[in-house]
Amino acid sequence: DGGITQSPKYLFRKEGQNVTLSCEQNLNHDAMYWYRQDPGQGLRLIYYSQIVNDFQKGDIAEGYSVSREKKESFPLTVTSAQKNPTAFYLCASSIQDVLGAQYFGPGTRLTVL
Amino acid sequence: DAKTTQPNSMESNEEEPVHLPCNHSTISGTDYIHWYRQLPSQGPEYVIHGLTSNVNNRMASLAIAEDRKSSTLILHRATLRDAAVYYCILRDYGGSQGNLIFGKGTKLSVKP
Repeated sequence: DGGITQSPKYLFRKEGQNVTLSCEQNLNHDAMYWYRQDPGQGLRLIYYSQIVNDFQKGDIAEGYSVSREKKESFPLTVTSAQKNPTAFYLCASSIQDVLGAQYFGPGTRLTVL
Repeated sequence: DAKTTQPNSMESNEEEPVHLPCNHSTISGTDYIHWYRQLPSQGPEYVIHGLTSNVNNRMASLAIAEDRKSSTLILHRATLRDAAVYYCILRDYGGSQGNLIFGKGTKLSVKP
């Protein structure tokens, strides 16, 4: 089945540790996105990539890093520089069209202790 | 970016129609109206989108006002599985950045 997967579903880390969240898609989509969602809030864009080996900062990129070495994969690293990393992280992909529907993964809930 | 305004919450009875409103008084001529919904602890799901004319698909209908300053998402027969947060989002087809700008949405509760 085609789709977008994120792993793990729940992740716990100690303060000061970097952590990498996985996002994989087999939809052959060019564009991929990372969003963050805090309780009771809408989603906010962290990073996005419209093509392999290229990515741009979103509205809240500080403390995060990404890579896009393969079309199917867009991992997000939450670094120790991110002041409030505990949140629900969502990955999405779409065709290279600003009107195309975005397909979201199931999300990773990160808790930093 | 043009903004949207939605009620914080709405309630519906199962098997009855639901009309979810969205105001977007500053909408520009190149903005499409998109709707997504998010079930608890899941990623958002695309529902429908339109520009000027009313649109129908298997999930819902989208009614767009003639002046395009408001729109309504219509669920023809609500089920318990439709309980979710519904987001109304404007997307500029003249823009280059494809991300979605989410507000707080409308939390729909469906009573059996």
